[in-house]
Amino acid sequence: DAKTTQPNSMESNEEEPVHLPCNHSTISGTDYIHWYRQLPSQGPEYVIHGLTSNVNNRMASLAIAEDRKSSTLILHRATLRDAAVYYCILRRTGYGQNFVFGPGTRLSVLP
Amino acid sequence: GAVVSQHPSWVICKSGTSVKIECRSLDFQATTMFWYRQFPKQSLMLMATSNEGSKATYEQGVEKDKFLINHASLTLSTLTVTSAHPEDSSFYICSASRTARETQYFGPGTRLLVL
Repeated sequence: DAKTTQPNSMESNEEEPVHLPCNHSTISGTDYIHWYRQLPSQGPEYVIHGLTSNVNNRMASLAIAEDRKSSTLILHRATLRDAAVYYCILRRTGYGQNFVFGPGTRLSVLP
Repeated sequence: GAVVSQHPSWVICKSGTSVKIECRSLDFQATTMFWYRQFPKQSLMLMATSNEGSKATYEQGVEKDKFLINHASLTLSTLTVTSAHPEDSSFYICSASRTARETQYFGPGTRLLVL
């Protein structure tokens, strides 16, 4: 299974940009990179996903390395509501939409 | 769009009873639904994948006779925990996707406490 590695935790100050890294050195050519976040006692919330090119949406940006072995989720201006556990997940190919969740990165946002 | 609901949001039951949890896709038709379990301070663990009209596919180590999954329509899947025991106490989360190739949208979760 293609796995991802993320830092256990990160801190950011409110209204500053946050760069959340993810390593996926065993990614295969057709694996999509998905990011979700989970607030306490809630289900995961979709943030963004991409394949090869950088992606932007209203929540965040996703920067994908040229060799696809790493990616970075960028929150342009962190707010207190962005404090959550962020999961970087590869969608396994050949098994439909099976997601394998790692421990994720716990992001703390300081006022 | 892409809203998934779960009912109930929390449930307390006695050991030995069965509990049914519903997962609904409110504004889209979900060909595939997934059930996860999350213990405190741990990540989500996939329990099973269900396709509308087909039998669910269970992950290794998940007892299919204990965790009954029904996906009878394109907007509803149910998880029944049969003869629940305290060790089944957990946070159960479902997700749904329009097709096998599209991303998953998660429900808010159901917290189960078995006394």
